[in-house]
Amino acid sequence: DIQMTQSPSTLSASVGDRVTITCRASQSISTWLAWYQQKPGKAPKVLIYKASSLESGVPSRFSGSGSGTEFTLTISSLQPDDFATYYCQQYNSYPATFGQGTKVEIK
Amino acid sequence: EVQLVESGGGLVQPGGSLRLSCAVSGFTFSSYSMNWVRQAPGKGLEWLSYISSNSDTIYYADSVKGRFTISRDNAKNSLYLQMNSLRAEDTAVFYCASGYTYYDYWGQGTLVTVSS
Repeated sequence: DIQMTQSPSTLSASVGDRVTITCRASQSISTWLAWYQQKPGKAPKVLIYKASSLESGVPSRFSGSGSGTEFTLTISSLQPDDFATYYCQQYNSYPATFGQGTKVEIK
Repeated sequence: EVQLVESGGGLVQPGGSLRLSCAVSGFTFSSYSMNWVRQAPGKGLEWLSYISSNSDTIYYADSVKGRFTISRDNAKNSLYLQMNSLRAEDTAVFYCASGYTYYDYWGQGTLVTVSS
């Protein structure tokens, strides 16, 4: 199985900050990677697919990059609605696997 | 409007069984692959099972293989997860989610608690 490792586990930031979350795969997954946002008590919501494609309706302050084994999710200017937990997911092969999550907290 | 609504969760004793359902509306269910994903309390997301649009391809995570069975009824726009031999570590919110690659639509989740 492909292991996904996110860093950091927790990130403290202020409104307006530029935020970057990293996801590493245990083997190459090309660009078969998605990013999700989850708020407490809610289902995850896809933000980015194929490493850098923005899902319809997602604000342009979210962007993704990377290929192979190293990926990043960037929020260009953190907004109050963005405080949440973020997960990466590889879909290069089943079983699909998720990173352990990165919680973005208010500084 | 796309809606996925899970049901069937609840409290069950270790070793017991439960059947989850996911009712889908707002898209052509019979054309979409579907999945079950769970989240233990305070933990991350764990993919459990995948079923193709016509049920000819099914995958399971090792953690549930042999205990859980995924199925679907395209005539009823519904997805199911039969869970047997439940363990305390199966306690989680269970989500249904659509997609073969990434998961674009998710239900609100149903809580399964395995405890005596």
